[in-house]
Amino acid sequence: EVQLVESGGGLVQPGGSLRLSCAASGFTFSSYSMNWVRQAPGKGLEWVSYISSSSSTIYYADSVKGRFTISRDNAKNSLYLQMNSLRAEDTAVYYCARDHRIAAAGTVDYWGQGTLVTVSS
Amino acid sequence: DIQLTQSPSFLSASVGDRVTITCRASQGISSYLAWYQQKPGKAPKLLIYAASTLQSGVPSRFSGSGSGTEFTLTISSLQPEDFATYYCQQLNRRWTFGQGTKVEIK
Repeated sequence: EVQLVESGGGLVQPGGSLRLSCAASGFTFSSYSMNWVRQAPGKGLEWVSYISSSSSTIYYADSVKGRFTISRDNAKNSLYLQMNSLRAEDTAVYYCARDHRIAAAGTVDYWGQGTLVTVSS
Repeated sequence: DIQLTQSPSFLSASVGDRVTITCRASQGISSYLAWYQQKPGKAPKLLIYAASTLQSGVPSRFSGSGSGTEFTLTISSLQPEDFATYYCQQLNRRWTFGQGTKVEIK
């Protein structure tokens, strides 16, 4: 069974940093591209970042470019999101999301349960 | 950036109804479109990819169609478990989601 378990969320002050982690199991992690997708409270979905299976291709949404860094450790079956210079508008549930093997990149076939990041003083 | 506009934003329907949700793109995206279902407090679930391909395990009452700038998600006979919010997502460039369509019980 595919499982994606996020951790690292919490309350942080504006301008602060946080590192999210996602532990993957139930599939060959090193064969799949991965994404982070977020959802502000009561709002819609926003794609945040994408990383290919070998880390050779990385994309960011304009809203986080230059502040967030996605990475992965295939030996540890783990995905990460380093978030710096956090703003109030970054407050959201952050989902770790597996990329579909057949569909266009960015199509998500499995999602974690999400971790809440709250940016507030 | 490519904008996606879903209509309606809110839909009230009864069990057994045929329901259609439209997603319009601000520019052509070929068939690079996916549909997701999200229930309160839960992660989204992939229903349709490549505009019309049913994801494995998704009931056949769900179907997708369209290409270019106009797409539809159809639920042929609404079931109690289908009351949820539905999102389209474009995967052509700088991936974005529509604002969502909430389907509630009439």
